[in-house]
Amino acid sequence: DAGVTQSPTHLIKTRGQHVTLRCSPISGHKSVSWYQQVLGQGPQFIFQYYEKEERGRGNFPDRFSARQFPNYSSELNVNALLLGDSALYLCASSFALASGEQYFGPGTRLTVT
Amino acid sequence: DQQVKQNSPSLSVQEGRISILNCDYTNSMFDYFLWYKKYPAEGPTFLISISSIKDKNEDGRFTVFLNKSAKHLSLHIVPSQPGDSAVYFCAASVGRGSNYKLTFGKGTLLTVNP
Repeated sequence: DAGVTQSPTHLIKTRGQHVTLRCSPISGHKSVSWYQQVLGQGPQFIFQYYEKEERGRGNFPDRFSARQFPNYSSELNVNALLLGDSALYLCASSFALASGEQYFGPGTRLTVT
Repeated sequence: DQQVKQNSPSLSVQEGRISILNCDYTNSMFDYFLWYKKYPAEGPTFLISISSIKDKNEDGRFTVFLNKSAKHLSLHIVPSQPGDSAVYFCAASVGRGSNYKLTFGKGTLLTVNP
């Protein structure tokens, strides 16, 4: 079975631009979470979506938004990019809302110049 | 403020020996703890977890110990193998219900030498 997939793998954007990152969860998984991992740090929670509804939000500005589609795939959008948004963006899926183990994709490496 | 702390950035052990990775937490509301392993250019891979109602959980070569009074957990790998070389993240959550999220430590780079 395919694991969590994310696209694109790498991305270079300029300050002020907008970016959309995509995630497809493991088949049968209904919950998708997004994390940001800055170099030298652990992943930091951004959002959780379940059944197309936002179920959790981390301490990130409103420039960050996300949505989940009927097929449970998800998009993370970041507006007005800052240099500090450069990071590895990880998507994780789990079967249920209250599932302990989350399964991560390989991530999208975003570089903002 | 780091709620989950991994104070050792790196650890080096010999193949066949025990690896012990440590993690401390400050939020007493955390009641579920996980360890993830991460190789370069890959996402974190779930390794083992423990609920706060237990003090030990074992899965093959991996054992996690939880000391709630000390707010401390550790991951033991016995015997260590070169393929275990990776960054290990400790993570914690408050409950497993809605608004579920994982809070991660900064990670410990484990190197197992042949």
